[in-house]
Amino acid sequence: DTGVSQDPRHKITKRGQNVTFRCDPISEHNRLYWYRQTLGQGPEFLTYFQNEAQLEKSRLLSDRFSAERPKGSFSTLEIQRTEQGDSAMYLCASSLGPAQETQYFGPGTRLLVL
Amino acid sequence: QKEVEQDPGPLSVPEGAIVSLNCTYSNSAFQYFMWYRQYSRKGPELLMYTYSSGNKEDGRFTAQVDKSSKYISLFIRDSQPSDSATYLCAMRDRGSTLGRLYFGRGTQLTVWP
Repeated sequence: DTGVSQDPRHKITKRGQNVTFRCDPISEHNRLYWYRQTLGQGPEFLTYFQNEAQLEKSRLLSDRFSAERPKGSFSTLEIQRTEQGDSAMYLCASSLGPAQETQYFGPGTRLLVL
Repeated sequence: QKEVEQDPGPLSVPEGAIVSLNCTYSNSAFQYFMWYRQYSRKGPELLMYTYSSGNKEDGRFTAQVDKSSKYISLFIRDSQPSDSATYLCAMRDRGSTLGRLYFGRGTQLTVWP
């Protein structure tokens, strides 16, 4: 296993369009996190899954954002009706769980909304 | 006021210098402290992980935590041009079983040959 993977790596879209990102965590990691990072800032927490259950959502995650992890493996993050303020790097991380909380990050998906 | 404060720099040092990076925080419940390194347009990579107060050393890197002052540091000895990156501090509170991390904004470091 080579780590957390994310797809696509880059996405350019027009304002108002919907976009979907995918994250594949390290196998056997049952915790999966989404963060958002804007230029010059550290990552900010968006949401968290333990297996397929979404257990926490940040207030940053507006109604236009939805995340799923249907089988407790990969996860998707969808943004509907994108706005220019959604332009950011979207990072996914995974961890093994209570026995090992270290979060390993993927390379991120860079979104640009025109 | 953000929960984690970190000077964004930029910090520029010659090869071989000792680099000192630091963060302050306001939430006394933070118990787990991490340093991540992030190269341009890449995801963060974990460098150091410490629990509570004290020092931890790993090769050229030393992490220090002073909970009484709510202050954490990362020292890099014999810095190399390959250390040029953004360094992010991150922390988590002891009460959270969910592992949500709170990050500083990162310090941009350049080590020139």
